[in-house]
Amino acid sequence: DVKVTQSSRYLVKRTGEKVFLECVQDMDHENMFWYRQDPGLGLRLIYFSYDVKMKEKGDIPEGYSVSREKKERFSLILESASTNQTSMYLCASRNNRGRKNTEAFFGQGTRLTVV
Amino acid sequence: GDSVTQMEGPVTLSEEAFLTINCTYTATGYPSLFWYVQYPGEGLQLLLKATKADDKGSNKGFEATYRKETTSFHLEKGSVQVSDSAVYFCALSKGGGSQGNLIFGKGTKLSVKP
Repeated sequence: DVKVTQSSRYLVKRTGEKVFLECVQDMDHENMFWYRQDPGLGLRLIYFSYDVKMKEKGDIPEGYSVSREKKERFSLILESASTNQTSMYLCASRNNRGRKNTEAFFGQGTRLTVV
Repeated sequence: GDSVTQMEGPVTLSEEAFLTINCTYTATGYPSLFWYVQYPGEGLQLLLKATKADDKGSNKGFEATYRKETTSFHLEKGSVQVSDSAVYFCALSKGGGSQGNLIFGKGTKLSVKP
Protein backbone atom coordinates (compact mmCIF):
# COMPACT_ATOMS: atom_id res chain seq x y z
CA ASP A 1 0.00 0.00 0.00
CA VAL A 2 1.04 3.51 -0.73
CA LYS A 3 1.91 5.37 2.39
CA VAL A 4 2.11 9.09 2.98
CA THR A 5 3.41 9.81 6.47
CA GLN A 6 3.28 13.16 8.20
CA SER A 7 5.72 13.54 11.05
CA SER A 8 3.22 14.73 13.67
CA ARG A 9 -0.52 14.37 14.25
CA TYR A 10 -0.68 17.27 16.71
CA LEU A 11 1.68 20.18 17.18
CA VAL A 12 1.57 23.23 19.44
CA LYS A 13 3.96 26.09 18.69
CA ARG A 14 4.45 29.64 19.92
CA THR A 15 3.97 32.76 17.85
CA GLY A 16 7.16 33.67 16.03
CA GLU A 17 8.66 30.18 16.08
CA LYS A 18 9.97 28.58 12.91
CA VAL A 19 7.94 25.43 12.29
CA PHE A 20 8.78 22.46 10.11
CA LEU A 21 6.12 20.01 8.92
CA GLU A 22 7.55 16.90 7.31
CA CYS A 23 5.96 14.55 4.82
CA VAL A 24 7.38 11.33 3.41
CA GLN A 25 5.95 9.06 0.70
CA ASP A 26 7.15 5.60 -0.20
CA MET A 27 5.92 5.15 -3.79
CA ASP A 28 8.36 7.20 -5.86
CA HIS A 29 5.68 9.76 -6.74
CA GLU A 30 6.68 12.83 -8.69
CA ASN A 31 4.07 15.22 -7.34
CA MET A 32 3.71 16.20 -3.72
CA PHE A 33 1.35 18.75 -2.22
CA TRP A 34 0.68 20.70 0.94
CA TYR A 35 -2.89 21.75 1.64
CA ARG A 36 -4.46 23.63 4.48
CA GLN A 37 -7.95 22.60 5.63
CA ASP A 38 -10.20 25.03 7.50
CA PRO A 39 -13.94 24.77 8.29
CA GLY A 40 -16.03 26.35 5.56
CA LEU A 41 -13.03 26.90 3.31
CA GLY A 42 -12.28 23.33 2.27
CA LEU A 43 -8.79 22.42 1.05
CA ARG A 44 -6.58 25.23 -0.09
CA LEU A 45 -3.31 24.54 -1.84
CA ILE A 46 -0.25 26.11 -0.25
CA TYR A 47 2.51 24.71 -2.49
CA PHE A 48 3.11 21.75 -4.68
CA SER A 49 6.21 20.15 -6.11
CA TYR A 50 6.42 18.22 -9.38
CA ASP A 51 10.03 17.10 -9.05
CA VAL A 52 13.02 17.37 -6.76
CA LYS A 53 13.81 21.04 -6.11
CA MET A 54 10.85 22.12 -8.28
CA LYS A 55 7.91 23.90 -6.71
CA GLU A 56 4.86 25.90 -7.63
CA LYS A 57 2.95 28.34 -5.48
CA GLY A 58 -0.61 27.45 -4.72
CA ASP A 59 -3.49 29.65 -3.65
CA ILE A 60 -2.15 30.74 -0.25
CA PRO A 61 1.68 30.63 -0.18
CA GLU A 62 2.19 33.73 1.95
CA GLY A 63 3.95 32.97 5.21
CA TYR A 64 5.05 29.52 4.02
CA SER A 65 7.97 28.03 2.18
CA VAL A 66 8.78 24.48 1.09
CA SER A 67 11.74 22.25 0.51
CA ARG A 68 12.12 19.15 -1.63
CA GLU A 69 15.71 17.94 -1.63
CA LYS A 70 14.80 14.27 -2.07
CA LYS A 71 11.98 12.79 -4.09
CA GLU A 72 10.31 11.09 -1.14
CA ARG A 73 10.27 14.05 1.24
CA PHE A 74 8.41 17.36 1.07
CA SER A 75 8.72 19.82 3.92
CA LEU A 76 6.49 22.77 4.74
CA ILE A 77 8.11 25.61 6.65
CA LEU A 78 6.36 28.34 8.57
CA GLU A 79 9.06 31.01 8.78
CA SER A 80 7.48 32.82 11.72
CA ALA A 81 4.35 31.13 12.98
CA SER A 82 1.29 33.26 13.60
CA THR A 83 -2.04 32.46 15.22
CA ASN A 84 -3.83 32.68 11.86
CA GLN A 85 -1.79 29.67 10.75
CA THR A 86 -3.56 27.48 13.28
CA SER A 87 -5.11 24.82 11.06
CA MET A 88 -5.10 21.25 9.81
CA TYR A 89 -2.30 20.64 7.28
CA LEU A 90 -2.58 17.80 4.79
CA CYS A 91 0.19 16.38 2.66
CA ALA A 92 -0.49 14.38 -0.50
CA SER A 93 1.48 12.64 -3.23
CA ARG A 94 0.62 11.56 -6.74
CA ASN A 95 2.19 9.57 -9.53
CA ASN A 96 1.67 11.94 -12.39
CA ARG A 97 3.96 11.26 -15.30
CA GLY A 98 2.00 13.28 -17.81
CA ARG A 99 -1.34 11.79 -16.78
CA LYS A 100 -4.30 13.64 -15.35
CA ASN A 101 -6.35 10.78 -13.92
CA THR A 102 -4.06 9.31 -11.30
CA GLU A 103 -5.11 9.15 -7.66
CA ALA A 104 -3.63 11.38 -4.97
CA PHE A 105 -2.77 9.73 -1.65
CA PHE A 106 -3.07 11.73 1.55
CA GLY A 107 -1.42 11.65 4.91
CA GLN A 108 -3.49 11.74 8.09
CA GLY A 109 -2.90 15.41 8.65
CA THR A 110 -1.13 17.56 11.22
CA ARG A 111 -3.28 19.65 13.51
CA LEU A 112 -1.14 22.73 14.23
CA THR A 113 -2.03 25.15 16.98
CA VAL A 114 -0.09 28.41 17.27
CA VAL A 115 -0.43 30.11 20.66
CA GLY B 1 -9.33 30.12 -13.52
CA ASP B 2 -10.34 26.53 -12.99
CA SER B 3 -12.66 25.82 -10.09
CA VAL B 4 -15.01 23.31 -8.48
CA THR B 5 -18.30 24.20 -6.80
CA GLN B 6 -20.20 21.74 -4.65
CA MET B 7 -23.35 22.05 -2.62
CA GLU B 8 -22.92 23.40 0.84
CA GLY B 9 -23.64 21.23 3.80
CA PRO B 10 -24.16 19.91 6.20
CA VAL B 11 -26.46 17.29 4.78
CA THR B 12 -28.35 15.16 7.29
CA LEU B 13 -30.15 12.02 6.15
CA SER B 14 -31.78 9.02 7.72
CA GLU B 15 -30.34 5.59 7.09
CA GLU B 16 -31.43 4.08 3.74
CA ALA B 17 -32.26 7.50 2.26
CA PHE B 18 -31.13 8.51 -1.23
CA LEU B 19 -28.11 10.78 -1.43
CA THR B 20 -27.19 13.39 -4.02
CA ILE B 21 -24.29 15.81 -3.61
CA ASN B 22 -24.05 18.27 -6.48
CA CYS B 23 -20.72 19.20 -8.05
CA THR B 24 -20.08 21.48 -11.01
CA TYR B 25 -16.77 22.56 -12.45
CA THR B 26 -15.22 25.29 -14.56
CA ALA B 27 -12.17 24.31 -16.56
CA THR B 28 -10.69 24.62 -20.00
CA GLY B 29 -9.87 21.43 -21.85
CA TYR B 30 -10.84 17.99 -20.63
CA PRO B 31 -10.16 17.50 -16.94
CA SER B 32 -10.38 14.28 -14.98
CA LEU B 33 -12.92 14.40 -12.16
CA PHE B 34 -12.73 12.83 -8.71
CA TRP B 35 -14.69 12.34 -5.52
CA TYR B 36 -12.67 12.02 -2.32
CA VAL B 37 -14.02 11.13 1.12
CA GLN B 38 -12.66 12.10 4.53
CA TYR B 39 -13.80 10.05 7.52
CA PRO B 40 -13.50 11.64 10.97
CA GLY B 41 -9.90 12.00 12.10
CA GLU B 42 -8.43 10.77 8.82
CA GLY B 43 -6.91 12.11 5.63
CA LEU B 44 -8.71 12.07 2.29
CA GLN B 45 -9.08 8.91 0.24
CA LEU B 46 -10.26 8.41 -3.31
CA LEU B 47 -13.87 7.31 -3.61
CA LEU B 48 -14.27 7.27 -7.41
CA LYS B 49 -13.12 8.99 -10.56
CA ALA B 50 -13.96 9.57 -14.24
CA THR B 51 -11.64 10.53 -17.05
CA LYS B 52 -13.83 11.60 -19.97
CA ALA B 53 -17.35 12.66 -20.89
CA ASP B 54 -20.09 10.12 -20.09
CA ASP B 55 -17.73 8.00 -17.97
CA LYS B 56 -19.35 6.68 -14.81
CA GLY B 57 -17.23 6.17 -11.72
CA SER B 58 -18.51 3.84 -9.02
CA ASN B 59 -17.36 2.42 -5.70
CA LYS B 60 -18.98 1.21 -2.45
CA GLY B 61 -22.46 1.87 -3.86
CA PHE B 62 -21.62 5.46 -4.82
CA GLU B 63 -21.82 6.62 -8.43
CA ALA B 64 -21.06 9.77 -10.41
CA THR B 65 -21.30 10.45 -14.15
CA TYR B 66 -19.07 12.93 -16.00
CA ARG B 67 -21.47 15.27 -17.81
CA LYS B 68 -19.58 17.63 -20.09
CA GLU B 69 -22.70 19.36 -21.40
CA THR B 70 -23.64 20.49 -17.89
CA THR B 71 -20.06 20.50 -16.51
CA SER B 72 -21.24 18.37 -13.61
CA PHE B 73 -20.16 15.30 -11.63
CA HIS B 74 -22.89 14.72 -9.06
CA LEU B 75 -22.37 12.04 -6.42
CA GLU B 76 -25.26 9.64 -5.74
CA LYS B 77 -25.98 6.67 -3.52
CA GLY B 78 -29.26 4.82 -3.41
CA SER B 79 -29.27 3.88 0.27
CA VAL B 80 -26.90 5.53 2.73
CA GLN B 81 -25.62 3.95 5.91
CA VAL B 82 -24.44 5.46 9.19
CA SER B 83 -20.91 4.47 8.18
CA ASP B 84 -21.13 6.86 5.18
CA SER B 85 -21.02 9.84 7.54
CA ALA B 86 -18.01 11.82 6.35
CA VAL B 87 -16.95 14.88 4.39
CA TYR B 88 -17.06 14.49 0.60
CA PHE B 89 -14.86 16.51 -1.76
CA CYS B 90 -15.21 16.91 -5.51
CA ALA B 91 -11.97 17.62 -7.41
CA LEU B 92 -10.53 18.03 -10.89
CA SER B 93 -7.13 17.57 -12.52
CA LYS B 94 -5.99 18.72 -15.94
CA GLY B 95 -2.59 17.27 -16.48
CA GLY B 96 0.75 16.07 -15.23
CA GLY B 97 4.06 17.55 -14.23
CA SER B 98 3.79 21.21 -13.36
CA GLN B 99 0.07 21.04 -14.25
CA GLY B 100 -0.50 18.17 -11.86
CA ASN B 101 -2.40 20.11 -9.23
CA LEU B 102 -5.74 18.84 -7.93
CA ILE B 103 -8.39 21.53 -7.49
CA PHE B 104 -10.92 20.77 -4.76
CA GLY B 105 -14.37 22.00 -3.89
CA LYS B 106 -15.06 23.13 -0.34
CA GLY B 107 -16.45 19.81 0.80
CA THR B 108 -19.89 18.64 1.90
CA LYS B 109 -20.37 17.13 5.33
CA LEU B 110 -22.81 14.23 5.41
CA SER B 111 -24.36 12.94 8.61
CA VAL B 112 -26.48 9.78 8.48
CA LYS B 113 -28.78 9.09 11.43
CA PRO B 114 -29.92 5.59 12.39
